[in-house]
Amino acid sequence: DAGVTQSPTHLIKTRGQQVTLRCSPKSGHDTVSWYQQALGQGPQFIFQYYEEEERQRGNFPDRFSGHQFPNYSSELNVNALLLGDSALYLCASSEGQETNTGELFFGEGSRLTVL
Amino acid sequence: AQKITQTQPGMFVQEKEAVTLDCTYDTSDPSYGLFWYKQPSSGEMIFLIYQGSYDQQNATEGRYSLNFQKARKSANLVISASQLGDSAMYFCAMLPGANSKLTFGKGITLSVRP
Repeated sequence: DAGVTQSPTHLIKTRGQQVTLRCSPKSGHDTVSWYQQALGQGPQFIFQYYEEEERQRGNFPDRFSGHQFPNYSSELNVNALLLGDSALYLCASSEGQETNTGELFFGEGSRLTVL
Repeated sequence: AQKITQTQPGMFVQEKEAVTLDCTYDTSDPSYGLFWYKQPSSGEMIFLIYQGSYDQQNATEGRYSLNFQKARKSANLVISASQLGDSAMYFCAMLPGANSKLTFGKGITLSVRP
């Protein structure tokens, strides 16, 4: 049973470019959340997708957008990249919107470097 | 607003000994969940243990136990019989009531010495 898978694992972009990161949730999970983890910090919540709609959003600008597909996979898009967007981007999946039992699983992340 | 505080500097423990990683939290929600995750150098967040705010007993998962003191708003992780593979970053996180947004602390680095 595959867990949460993310791609690409590493990528390098330059300022002003756009990037798309992808996430496939764990089998049986229908909800995907995205987190940004800067070096030496804890992850910060970006947004959550459920039933192909953005349900919750953290304190991130509109340059960060996403999408969820009918098969529950998800994409994170970041436009007009800034140096400060360099981070590990983590995807987490769960069953249903509310996770009150610890059933929240993370992928290994996509490490983005902006030059 | 929710807040998780992890203030310990890097922690060191001898193999086979027990270690406690501290976590305090702040929330106005009466119902919440507390999590501990392990993050090795590969980057993946590995779920270790979960404690619900209304759970009467402290959570345990194998070598991991959570020392939950609700009045003090603390949720310390205890790792018994440390192993070399336990060397990693450890994050405490909270999920308030009817919400799906995990709030993480800054993490603690644990190094296990042979």
